[in-house]
This record gives sequence, structure tokens and C-alpha cells, in this order.
Amino acid sequence: GAVVSQHPSRVICKSGTSVKIECRSLDFQATTMFWYRQFPKKSLMLMATSNEGSKATYEQGVEKDKFLINHASLTLSTLTVTSAHPEDSSFYICSASVKTGSGSEQYFGPGTRLTVT
Amino acid sequence: GESVGLHLPTLSVQEGDNSIINCAYSNSASDYFIWYKQESGKGPQFIIDIRSNMDKRQGQRVTVLLNKTVKHLSLQIAATQPGDSAVYFCAENRRNYGQNFVFGPGTRLSVLP
Repeated sequence: GAVVSQHPSRVICKSGTSVKIECRSLDFQATTMFWYRQFPKKSLMLMATSNEGSKATYEQGVEKDKFLINHASLTLSTLTVTSAHPEDSSFYICSASVKTGSGSEQYFGPGTRLTVT
Repeated sequence: GESVGLHLPTLSVQEGDNSIINCAYSNSASDYFIWYKQESGKGPQFIIDIRSNMDKRQGQRVTVLLNKTVKHLSLQIAATQPGDSAVYFCAENRRNYGQNFVFGPGTRLSVLP
């Protein structure tokens, strides 16, 4: 089956620093990748949609200058949390989408837990 | 029932019993639905999907029912096992609205021994 990996799985950083999270589709090429944020005991909230070679589309309320997304290839998207603050601490999950004949299928990565101290 | 912004609804069932998890979706234009299972500290795992031209789909030990009239989706798990303990999310997708899925608030399933 389709596998999506994320790296790192956990990261702790100090306030003011930047953190990069990678999302890779390991055995398929993804037409689109999505970045989600999940707070404890809450549902997934879409942050942005990323298409290879073009600018990401951010959801309302998500600061594009703070959450930089780069989608350099059909198998890699990165999310950089710039000047991180404690309130950015969260579980970040990516997914990769593949179009099928009747729609699309979406495969999720294992998530990255970010803790900002 | 479902609620946004509050604690996750919890369903507790005895091992071996059947579980029914419900979800109300928001948009009548949604035409594709997926149930995901999320274990603690992990990403969501696909369980089963259904398109709007169907009202029932069965998998291994799981059945999804779709009632478009009242915009309601349910996931039935037969002979619930301890490994089924997780948070379950429904997700809806609208045709020609991109590939984005909108997730429901989730339900925590606890399997009692």
C-alpha cells in the first residue's frame, strides 16, 4: 500500500527558532499534499494544500509567512514553522493525495509532535 | 453526539459486542466519505470509504452506512476487539472542490475487557 513518512517524528525546539518537517510519499507520486494540525483531543484542521511546483494554498487564519510550505517534487513537501512559539506546539500531520479514476485517495503520514519551550 | 470545540465524545463497549459510531456531515454536496482510525500519537489510518451513490458498504468486520437524506454516516464494527480502541473520524469530500477532506470532530472508542 501507499506509504507516507514524516521526519522527524518528534522535535523539541526553543522559542524563536525555526523547525522544518518533511513529508515524503515513499512508493508513489503525490499530485497534492496536505498539512494538518491537531491539538490534543481535537480533530484534524487543514492548514494548507500544496501542489508540486506551485505556491501552497493556505486556509483562512493560517499565516503563510509563519508556516512556510515548499513542495519541491512529487514525493516531498516540507513545512517550516518559523520563529516558533509555545502556542505552535501541536501534532502536525501531512497527507498525500493521488487521483484515481473516480476521485482521489489520501494517505496520511504518522505525524510530527512539535514542542516549543 | 458530535460537537465542535468540546471534548471528544466517547463510546465504551464490551469486548465482543458490536460498536456503532455516528457522524453528521455538513454539506449536501459532499459525495465521498471516509472513516479513519487514529491511535494515540499516530496519523489517521484508512478504514473504509463510501460514495454518495451507495448507502451501504461492507469491509472486514466494518460496515459504513450513509443516509443522504439526513446527512448522516455511521461506522459499525462487529465483534469489537481491544485493538479497535482508538479515535474514529469521518471525513467528507466534495466533488470538484479539490482533494481536500473535511474532518468531523471524532469519537473515542474504548473497548472494555
